[in-house]
Amino acid sequence: EAQVTQNPRYLITVTGKKLTVTCSQNMNHEYMSWYRQDPGLGLRQIYYSMNVEVTDKGDVPEGYKVSRKEKRNFPLILESPSPNQTSLYFCASSFLDGNQPQHFGDGTRLSIL
Amino acid sequence: EDKVVQSPLSLVVHEGDTVTLNCSYEVTNFRSLLWYKQEKKAPTFLFMLTSSGIEKKSGRLSSILDKKELFSILNITATQTGDSAVYLCAVRTRMYSGGGADGLTFGKGTHLIIQP
Repeated sequence: EAQVTQNPRYLITVTGKKLTVTCSQNMNHEYMSWYRQDPGLGLRQIYYSMNVEVTDKGDVPEGYKVSRKEKRNFPLILESPSPNQTSLYFCASSFLDGNQPQHFGDGTRLSIL
Repeated sequence: EDKVVQSPLSLVVHEGDTVTLNCSYEVTNFRSLLWYKQEKKAPTFLFMLTSSGIEKKSGRLSSILDKKELFSILNITATQTGDSAVYLCAVRTRMYSGGGADGLTFGKGTHLIIQP
């Protein structure tokens, strides 16, 4: 089954403790992206990747890192999480040609205390 | 800065009513406009619109794009309680002038509640 898988689905942690949210897709998509969704602000793009070893900043990249060492995986790294990063995070992927929609993972709800 | 504005932000109607959701945009390098439905979890894809005036239909849902006036509407006829969700509009833009990957800018969504 074609899917985008995020882990964990829920996480509560404390300020400053490094964490990684994993994202994996099995559709051989070149393009992958991370979004955060906050009440009143909608979905905002954090980082995206056009292919292996190619990443770039979205609209709200501060406080986040990503890597794309393999085509199927695109982890989101919070080196020193802070409470303003408490949010619902979505990973999405698509082919690069732009004629296909992005497929979303089920979301990761992060709470930073 | 690219901007996508959805209206209304929330809407409560009775089962069987018809609703129209609006999405207007101001972006550079427009490629397409997408509608998603979000219930408890991930947004699920509904429509992708690239050309003006061509209606896309799926059951009771339909959508159309006006590239001159820079807006799209999503219609839902004979609404059911299962249509209750947040409906997201997103505009895909070309991030690099030579082609390549797309950026996706989302509106804040319309929260639709269908009362029995």
